[in-house]
Amino acid sequence: DADVTQTPRNRITKTGKRIMLECSQTKGHDRMYWYRQDPGLGLRLIYYSFDVKDINKGEISDGYSVSRQAQAKFSLSLESAIPNQTALYFCATSDWTSGGTFFGPGTRLTVL
Amino acid sequence: DQQVKQNSPSLSVQEGRISILNCDYTNSMFDYFLWYKKYPAEGPTFLISISSIKDKNEDGRFTVFLNKSAKHLSLHIVPSQPGDSAVYFCAARDSGYALNFGKGTSLLVTP
Repeated sequence: DADVTQTPRNRITKTGKRIMLECSQTKGHDRMYWYRQDPGLGLRLIYYSFDVKDINKGEISDGYSVSRQAQAKFSLSLESAIPNQTALYFCATSDWTSGGTFFGPGTRLTVL
Repeated sequence: DQQVKQNSPSLSVQEGRISILNCDYTNSMFDYFLWYKKYPAEGPTFLISISSIKDKNEDGRFTVFLNKSAKHLSLHIVPSQPGDSAVYFCAARDSGYALNFGKGTSLLVTP
């Protein structure tokens, strides 16, 4: 079984709709992250969380919100989706002792 | 402003030869550098890393070199194999353990 899972894997939605992307991990890591990948731009950090009570904005947090429901769960929400949020979204986890970062398989989101 | 830069969007190498992927960074506070490999429709997978206190780390066919004074690192793959064809991302870790990524280099290894 995968250590970091993301649901859904693919989603097509319309402008103005609310969307939630979910991430779960079984690695027992305390730190979780949401990244976005756009063609030619690499991966950019949206939000990150060090533990359940800690949420931090990343480089491109505008238009997004997150919730850390438990150590193993970190969800990303788009309150009102817009077309330029069409991208590939990756959840990741890391262990504070080693710093190794592990990525989920990604969610491909298309906003029409 | 991008703190991690991979200035070569693509690289083509013959099978058996050396592949050299380059990366530059601007933030001297980065403490750890990592290379990730990514295939289409998959998440990035960790390849090799190096601490800022070292200048070389080797793992099988993969070697990462770090030149702190030049703020430059490189990944060497020897010998290159067709299965190495993928997009390679350089990443630098900051104090919050968040990764700052370059834009990636697409490596094609031809038979």
